[in-house]
Amino acid sequence: KNEVEQSPQNLTAQEGEFITINCSYSVGISALHWLQQHPGGGIVSLFMLSSGKKKHGRLIATINIQEKHSSLHITASHPRDSAVYICAAGERFGNEKLTFGTGTRLTIIP
Amino acid sequence: DAGVIQSPRHEVTEMGQEVTLRCKPISGHDYLFWYRQTMMRGLELLIYFNNNVPIDDSGMPEDRFSAKMPNASFSTLKIQPSEPRDSAVYFCASREDRSSYNSPLHFGNGTRLTVT
Repeated sequence: KNEVEQSPQNLTAQEGEFITINCSYSVGISALHWLQQHPGGGIVSLFMLSSGKKKHGRLIATINIQEKHSSLHITASHPRDSAVYICAAGERFGNEKLTFGTGTRLTIIP
Repeated sequence: DAGVIQSPRHEVTEMGQEVTLRCKPISGHDYLFWYRQTMMRGLELLIYFNNNVPIDDSGMPEDRFSAKMPNASFSTLKIQPSEPRDSAVYFCASREDRSSYNSPLHFGNGTRLTVT
């Protein structure tokens, strides 16, 4: 069974700061997902990656397959980035089951 | 596109009652997922369908839970009888065929279930 760990659990930062959220998993994966859950509860998929790096606006996701580690970075953070960020690991091709991390609660202070 | 539509948004029921949650996936999506989120356990996959066929229901907690997908545009998750420990937010999500690695999950807004 894959174990997915995120750090930190909670993160508070000032507006404009560079943010890094980390995710480690214990077994090989087919894809790593980053999700964003807003205070209202809705969940949005940010990235799905199996290697390298992806960028969307101020968000960057990287993955190191050998080290079984992924990071989510936010540049020039803004209060609207305040949310819970969840990583999820998909274990193998043909299997849609994801193992979810417990989430990182990010608060950006103006 | 209206996105994944779930109903109801909130459901409050008494222990022992039957509860039915509904989901309409995005048109053209081949996969449909039911997840449950609680404070203690976070997000968990309950069951998923591919082309309306249940593929993996190993996450369904017990026989009180059942899910159906009678056609490509509708799925239900039923709990009978409901218990207080079933209180959670239930999310439905859908995605396109897995052959595309740029096919993310699209989540509905969830149904918050409270069983008293």
